[in-house]
Amino acid sequence: NAGVTQTPKFRVLKTGQSMTLLCAQDMNHEYMYWYRQDPGMGLRLIHYSVGEGTTAKGEVPDGYNVSRLKKQNFLLGLESAAPSQTSVYFCASGLGIMNTEAFFGQGTRLTVV
Amino acid sequence: KNEVEQSPQNLTAQEGEFITINCSYSVGISALHWLQQHPGGGIVSLFMLSSGKKKHGRLIATINIQEKHSSLHITASHPRDSAVYICAVRWFRDDKIIFGKGTRLHILP
Repeated sequence: NAGVTQTPKFRVLKTGQSMTLLCAQDMNHEYMYWYRQDPGMGLRLIHYSVGEGTTAKGEVPDGYNVSRLKKQNFLLGLESAAPSQTSVYFCASGLGIMNTEAFFGQGTRLTVV
Repeated sequence: KNEVEQSPQNLTAQEGEFITINCSYSVGISALHWLQQHPGGGIVSLFMLSSGKKKHGRLIATINIQEKHSSLHITASHPRDSAVYICAVRWFRDDKIIFGKGTRLHILP
């Protein structure tokens, strides 16, 4: 049982490049989330999804897009990366909006130079 | 003003000590989570609380809804407990989720 898997684990991008982070879960969860974690700050919600085909903005959505074409996958896209997007990104999934246990991926460390 | 405050920010203790990490919040909530972030970065959910107390092994989590406060206790601490412990709350009003900045715990052998 893999749980929540994020790919890639590390990436270095040049300013202006694009990339997609993939989150996959095998627990049949309806809810999936993308967070970023920056030094000295708590995790902040970027976007989330309450089910296949749905997405919604979180606290810090600017510069990111997401898609949930399949229930098990939640993609986070950066169309034109900026140094301010250097961060560690975490995906999570759960049965509800944090009213049940949440399961986190291992994180993706992204550096934009 | 942070809606979720954790204390202490950093804690170093000797193996075997009883550890308490505190989380205070300023809004009505429907759920509170305690998470553990390992030195390698992975995050694990420890507890989800809406009232009372939960226990899992050497870990105990309590919540006082009236006082807007939760504590995470670790009994007989061990160096493998060294991690960052994060409190997260779900607002009752609009389901917004707020994370604390974490408490970095270091247990010395």
